[in-house]
Amino acid sequence: QSVLTQPPSVSAAPGQKVTISCSGSSSNIGRNHVSWYQQVPGAAPKVLIYDNDKRPLGIPDRFSGSKSGTSVTLGISGLQTGDEADYYCGTWDSGLITGVFGGGTKLTVL
Amino acid sequence: QVQLQESGPGLVKPSQTLSLTCTVSGGSINGGDIHWSWIRQPAGKGLEWIGRINPSGSTNYNPSLRSRLTISIDTSKDQFSLRLNSVTAADTAVYYCARMHPLPGGTFDSWGRGTLVTVSS
Repeated sequence: QSVLTQPPSVSAAPGQKVTISCSGSSSNIGRNHVSWYQQVPGAAPKVLIYDNDKRPLGIPDRFSGSKSGTSVTLGISGLQTGDEADYYCGTWDSGLITGVFGGGTKLTVL
Repeated sequence: QVQLQESGPGLVKPSQTLSLTCTVSGGSINGGDIHWSWIRQPAGKGLEWIGRINPSGSTNYNPSLRSRLTISIDTSKDQFSLRLNSVTAADTAVYYCARMHPLPGGTFDSWGRGTLVTVSS
């Protein structure tokens, strides 16, 4: 059972937009910034969004992040087949004093 | 761009100790408020944060692993290490080392490629 809650899967057609939610509590998302990671099979996770809504250099603006209270959302617009991957939210839990992740969301581009 | 590389045995017997080392290159392990973390992922499952250490040796551990876990650092070699005692099949996973930025961000911005550790007799 993950501390952060994500939907197990989402799907959409190429070119469409999809959102992935991640909910937590006041001790984690409510207190700290959240990052989003993309993981393709066989590879290490890669950061897509950091500090809730910032993109590292090289990440296209098709990827966006937002935060409201104890929840965050990852948006992916203009879906491409190459976006098929697992997506994880992650942050620090100041109550548990540990890093925490969501259970991951598998994105399928139909 | 800093790079990380895990190394260690890929097979460990039940009840024995899992030991892994992460070597940091392209930058110093002594970087300010940076922490160095271990994260693992069982096959087909999600990410589990194991623990972190800073260059001064201060650690935080996942409570579920704390009684069996030791993370250490050797700044002279730009390496940090993980030791997990009394392993079982449930410890079989891909183990990643990663660089963790200061809070409140806590982003893992650089990851090793991961190393598969199988616990089996």
